[in-house]
Amino acid sequence: DAGITQSPRHKVTETGTPVTLRCHQTENHRYMYWYRQDPGHGLRLIHYSYGVKDTDKGEVSDGYSVSRSKTEDFLLTLESATSSQTSVYFCAIRRQGADEQFFGPGTRLTVL
Amino acid sequence: DAKTTQPNSMESNEEEPVHLPCNHSTISGTDYIHWYRQLPSQGPEYVIHGLTSNVNNRMASLAIAEDRKSSTLILHRATLRDAAVYYCILRDATPANNAGNMLTFGGGTRLMVKP
Repeated sequence: DAGITQSPRHKVTETGTPVTLRCHQTENHRYMYWYRQDPGHGLRLIHYSYGVKDTDKGEVSDGYSVSRSKTEDFLLTLESATSSQTSVYFCAIRRQGADEQFFGPGTRLTVL
Repeated sequence: DAKTTQPNSMESNEEEPVHLPCNHSTISGTDYIHWYRQLPSQGPEYVIHGLTSNVNNRMASLAIAEDRKSSTLILHRATLRDAAVYYCILRDATPANNAGNMLTFGGGTRLMVKP
């Protein structure tokens, strides 16, 4: 168990509202990632972080922002949610020098 | 980015070996081959990875072709718990190309295990 939790686990919101998803880790790993997964598809990277206040964009970053003010928390924000952002969001962590990523349980977000 | 090709689905009988193929004909010399699996309603789980040589761990074995254009994930004795989507992923290990060690997931192979 890599000590990753995501909150909330489920959320239903309306178009145009802001939404923040939280990823929390207990092992002080340097790298953290946010992915989204849509039905029948693999995961796509949204943003990642390589340290406190250090973030970079992934494949599908439009409409999303992230923040990492402390090692253990990586926040994903949808400033104004749209129906196309309905998805399952997974957070992952990676220890520096290691190759494998460990994934959280996911957050199912529905934007009506 | 180098891409992988996997069958959409495969079936196996419980307690028999399973060979999951992956083609990656455009692989570059700095690409590592990773395998992850995703059980229903869970996040992906790391299985194994390798560069050139075959690899074994407690979960599976990874057989890499000599020309590295294909690989095979081997589950030695499938159980019902192995039913999942298996993803074969190439990870560019060049820091300039992939500073974040990002993974690019494809569609994967859905493995069904029959009792």
